[in-house]
Amino acid sequence: GENVEQHPSTLSVQEGDSAVIKCTYSDSASNYFPWYKQELGKRPQLIIDIRSNVGEKKDQRIAVTLNKTAKHFSLHITETQPEDSAVYFCAASTDSGYALNFGKGTSLLVTP
Amino acid sequence: DGGITQSPKYLFRKEGQNVTLSCEQNLNHDAMYWYRQDPGQGLRLIYYSQIVNDFQKGDIAEGYSVSREKKESFPLTVTSAQKNPTAFYLCASSIIPGDGYGYTFGSGTRLTVV
Repeated sequence: GENVEQHPSTLSVQEGDSAVIKCTYSDSASNYFPWYKQELGKRPQLIIDIRSNVGEKKDQRIAVTLNKTAKHFSLHITETQPEDSAVYFCAASTDSGYALNFGKGTSLLVTP
Repeated sequence: DGGITQSPKYLFRKEGQNVTLSCEQNLNHDAMYWYRQDPGQGLRLIYYSQIVNDFQKGDIAEGYSVSREKKESFPLTVTSAQKNPTAFYLCASSIIPGDGYGYTFGSGTRLTVV
C-alpha cells in the first residue's frame, strides 16, 4: 500500500521567516495530495491541496509543489506568523477506492 | 460541528470493557472513515466504508469493529482485544468514495483506559 514519509518532525522558525515541509510517497498511482493543519486538541483542517496534473498551487502565504517523477511534494509557508504554529500533515490518495494515507506530521513552532 | 459529529468528546474505559464511539454526518457523504491518532504517529486508518452495509479494514483494524447500517452513521467499537486503546479517534467522511478530495473531519473522541 501507499507509504507517506514526512520531514521534518519538528520545525521552529522566527516570525516572518519561511517554513518548508517535505513529503514523499511510494505509490506512483497517487494523484491527490492535501495538506492539513491541526491545532492542539482540534480536528485537522484542509489548508491546501493539489492534484497530479498540476505542479504548483498557491493560496496567499501558502503554496504546495509536486514533483511526480521524484514522488515528492512540499508545503511552503511564507511570512510565518505565530498563529501558523500547529501540526501539519501531508496525505496522498488514489482514485482506486482507498482512503487518504497520512504522513506522521510536522510540529511547526513560530516564535515572535 | 461542520456537519460531522463525534460523541462523546472524552471517554474512559476500564480494562476488559468494550466501548462504542459515535460518528454521525449530515453531509450526505457516501464514504466514512475512522482514524486513530497517537503522538508522533500521524493518522492511521482503522476502518472505512464506501457504502451502506459495506466496510473494509484499514491498516490497524485489529481489536476494533464497525457497522454501517445507515448512511449517516458509522460507529466504532473498541473491543477488549485492543490492548492499547488510549488515543485520539477521528471520524471523517468524504464526497466520493476512495477519493481523498472533500474530506471532512469530526472533532474527535479522546479515549483513555483507566
